[in-house]
Amino acid sequence: KQEVTQIPAALSVPEGENLVLNCSFTDSAIYNLQWFRQDPGKGLTSLLLIQSSQREQTSGRLNASLDKSSGRSTLYIAASQPGDSATYLCAVRGDDGGGQGNLIFGKGTKLSVKP
Amino acid sequence: DAGVIQSPRHEVTEMGQEVTLRCKPISGHNSLFWYRQTMMRGLELLIYFNNNVPIDDSGMPEDRFSAKMPNASFSTLKIQPSEPRDSAVYFCASSPRLVNEQFFGPGTRLTVL
Repeated sequence: KQEVTQIPAALSVPEGENLVLNCSFTDSAIYNLQWFRQDPGKGLTSLLLIQSSQREQTSGRLNASLDKSSGRSTLYIAASQPGDSATYLCAVRGDDGGGQGNLIFGKGTKLSVKP
Repeated sequence: DAGVIQSPRHEVTEMGQEVTLRCKPISGHNSLFWYRQTMMRGLELLIYFNNNVPIDDSGMPEDRFSAKMPNASFSTLKIQPSEPRDSAVYFCASSPRLVNEQFFGPGTRLTVL
């Protein structure tokens, strides 16, 4: 059974710092991996989607990498800002041969960026 | 595009009452997902539909939970009877195809007293 772990559970950094959020998964047979952001009391906003054949994806100050063989993904945030404060969730889609595996979520890393 | 729309945003009810949560997916999206989020268990997939057909309901916790998608623009999640342990935030998400990026609604915060 696929398990997704995100460490640390919470992280506090000063504004301007570059930071890395970690996601690990137990079953390397994945179809894709998605990073989300969740603001308090709100829904999830999709940040980046990496297909299993890709090594990384970039969007603005965000860069997500994927190492399928080791079961790891990282989300790199450059020059962090107070507006980046949120909970970041990693979700893995299993590959049952048809790419129809369910999304399995980690419990998230709560990021706080201090001005 | 209005995004995924959920109603109500908040629901407070008493144990034993029927609760119906509603979702309107993004127009043109063929897949719809219902999730539940709690502090203890995080985000869990309850059920998903593809082209209005339920594909996997193995995440539905009990027979008290049911979901329907009568057409491409509307889905409901019903709990009957509700129990205090059903208290959670329920999210609906949609995607263009089953394996594509999912887009989430704002959620319904359910409190069962």
